[in-house]
Amino acid sequence: EAGVAQSPRYKIIEKRQSVAFWCNPISGHATLYWYQQILGQGPKLLIQFQNNGVVDDSQLPKDRFSAERLKGVDSTLKIQPAKLEDSAVYLCASSTHSGSSDTQYFGPGTRLTVL
Amino acid sequence: SQELEQSPQSLIVQEGKNLTINCTSSKTLYGLYWYKQKYGEGLIFLMMLQKGGEEKSHEKITAKLDEKKQQSSLHITASQPSHAGIYLCGADTSGNTPLVFGKGTRLSVIA
Repeated sequence: EAGVAQSPRYKIIEKRQSVAFWCNPISGHATLYWYQQILGQGPKLLIQFQNNGVVDDSQLPKDRFSAERLKGVDSTLKIQPAKLEDSAVYLCASSTHSGSSDTQYFGPGTRLTVL
Repeated sequence: SQELEQSPQSLIVQEGKNLTINCTSSKTLYGLYWYKQKYGEGLIFLMMLQKGGEEKSHEKITAKLDEKKQQSSLHITASQPSHAGIYLCGADTSGNTPLVFGKGTRLSVIA
């Protein structure tokens, strides 16, 4: 079974530029998560989708971050414009549902550096 | 405030030694997940615990959840260089994931 796919793996941009990340979850997984992991910290949730609907985006900085999952499968996360403090690893995860016993499986992440 | 505390922050052990990593929550846990992360890579799922007093093992790694469901430990027996990495605990504190993560424990295993 294929795992969670993410691209690109690495991205370097200058502040105020825009960037987009892509995630393809495990086939059949209804729930998709985007996490931000700053160096030395644990991952922090940005947004959670159930199929193509948003379940939780309370920690998403909506003035600059946006995410969509139009057909309930792939998802994109966008930052516009980027700030220095956005430098982090962006992790996508998926699970069959969103219950407490549903394990989240993570992709390899996209490492973003903002100069 | 930090909901999930991990200790120690870093650990250096000699190959063949045993070690324990702890994860403490300020809330009762619906589920506790252990992941391993290598630098620059994603999280690899290790184990999930749900019931108070539960214990699971996989190869040389054992994880336990206390009876009150607020503390978990990860124990590695006879550590090997392949065990090196960052160990993260993630907690479901609402019965509806997403997870809240600790800051991680960086493990180095030296020959």
